Amino acid sequence: QKEVEQDPGPLSVPEGAIVSLNCTYSNSAFQYFMWYRQYSRKGPELLMYTYSSGNKEDGRFTAQVDKSSKYISLFIRDSQPSDSATYLCAMINTGGFKTIFGAGTRLFVKA
Amino acid sequence: SQTIHQWPATLVQPVGSPLSLECTVEGTSNPNLYWYRQAAGRGLQLLFYSVGIGQISSEVPQNLSASRPQDRQFILSSKKLLLSDSGFYLCAWSVTGRDNYGYTFGSGTRLTVV
Repeated sequence: QKEVEQDPGPLSVPEGAIVSLNCTYSNSAFQYFMWYRQYSRKGPELLMYTYSSGNKEDGRFTAQVDKSSKYISLFIRDSQPSDSATYLCAMINTGGFKTIFGAGTRLFVKA
Repeated sequence: SQTIHQWPATLVQPVGSPLSLECTVEGTSNPNLYWYRQAAGRGLQLLFYSVGIGQISSEVPQNLSASRPQDRQFILSSKKLLLSDSGFYLCAWSVTGRDNYGYTFGSGTRLTVV
């Protein structure tokens, strides 16, 4: 079993839709949870991070962590064609050096 | 501000040839440095990480090696490339003690071994 599971998609939605991206994990030691966005042929960029359980909102993006279920989500409201990218979840335990990444979900937002 | 430079952007190399990819970081001291490989449609595979000059940890046994000759310089090398070394190579840095543990990635090198 992989430490982090993420559906690779692709996920195709119309412009303006609410997008839900999810990951599950197995290691209860993970404390920091991140979402990266990667455009084609570019390096990933940090989009959101959350410590432990709870929600965090930044503009159209909301990150949720449910440690009891070992489940994290990223919601994108009013999705735009410019949101078309691969989204990778990532997590790390406190004091750790190695972040564990999901495989990434490829998202297409159609105009 | 902190920046990370990675080059070259693309590389086509024959099987059996050597490899040298370089990554430099500006605007921070004593960063943690990482080399990742991303195969098409797959996640990020950690190859090497370094917490200081001359300190290299290898995650995957293979014909690649890494070196950190200076605080903000990280080099990925191979003496003889294999077809299976093709992929998208990414350098990244982080700083211990930052509250978000996030990485800053370089723009990547797309390596094709032919």
